[in-house]
Amino acid sequence: EIVLTQSPATLSLSPGERATLSCRASESISTFLGWYQQKPGQAPRLLIYDASIRATGIPARFSGSGSGTDFTLTISSLEPEDFAVYYCQQRSNWPPLTFGGGTKLEIK
Amino acid sequence: QVQLVQSGAELKQPGASVKVSCKVSGSILNELSVHWVRQAPGKGLEWLGGFDPEHGEAVYAQKFQGSVTLTVDTSTDTSYMELSSLRSDDTAVYFCAMSHLGLLPPYFDYWGQGSLVTVSS
Repeated sequence: EIVLTQSPATLSLSPGERATLSCRASESISTFLGWYQQKPGQAPRLLIYDASIRATGIPARFSGSGSGTDFTLTISSLEPEDFAVYYCQQRSNWPPLTFGGGTKLEIK
Repeated sequence: QVQLVQSGAELKQPGASVKVSCKVSGSILNELSVHWVRQAPGKGLEWLGGFDPEHGEAVYAQKFQGSVTLTVDTSTDTSYMELSSLRSDDTAVYFCAMSHLGLLPPYFDYWGQGSLVTVSS
């Protein structure tokens, strides 16, 4: 089973700042990684898939990069609505599909 | 417009079973794969299983093999997840999810609203 480790667990930033979230895989997963945003009481929302492709309707301030074992989600300039929990998910080797433990992005 | 609408909250006793439904509209269910993900209170996301359209069968996380059963009723475009031998640590919100991206294995760009299952005596 591929384990995804996200860091940091919590990131405290202010609106307008740049956010960099990390996801590390326990073995190489090529570019088969996605990122989700989840707000309290809501289902997750797909932001990025296959490491760098923005999903439909996702603003350009969200970008993804990486391959192999190390991946990054970058939010170029934080908007108030971006404060949420972010999860990565791999689809390289299944079953199972696996998710990272999440990074909480909170307002500083 | 694809929508996934799940059944309501359930309160179950330990050892019982629960069956959660997920009705898909705006898409053709038998051409797509519905998966199930759960989230315990204050915790992360955990994949339970889903349908593999290439092989026409459900696939499960090993942890849930034997306790989770996924079925589909194509006449009503409804997918079901049944979890048996419930324990208190099965208390969670259960989401159905599916993909319109045409990728296999999938990412999930459509989600149900979630169904809270509470296991308590």
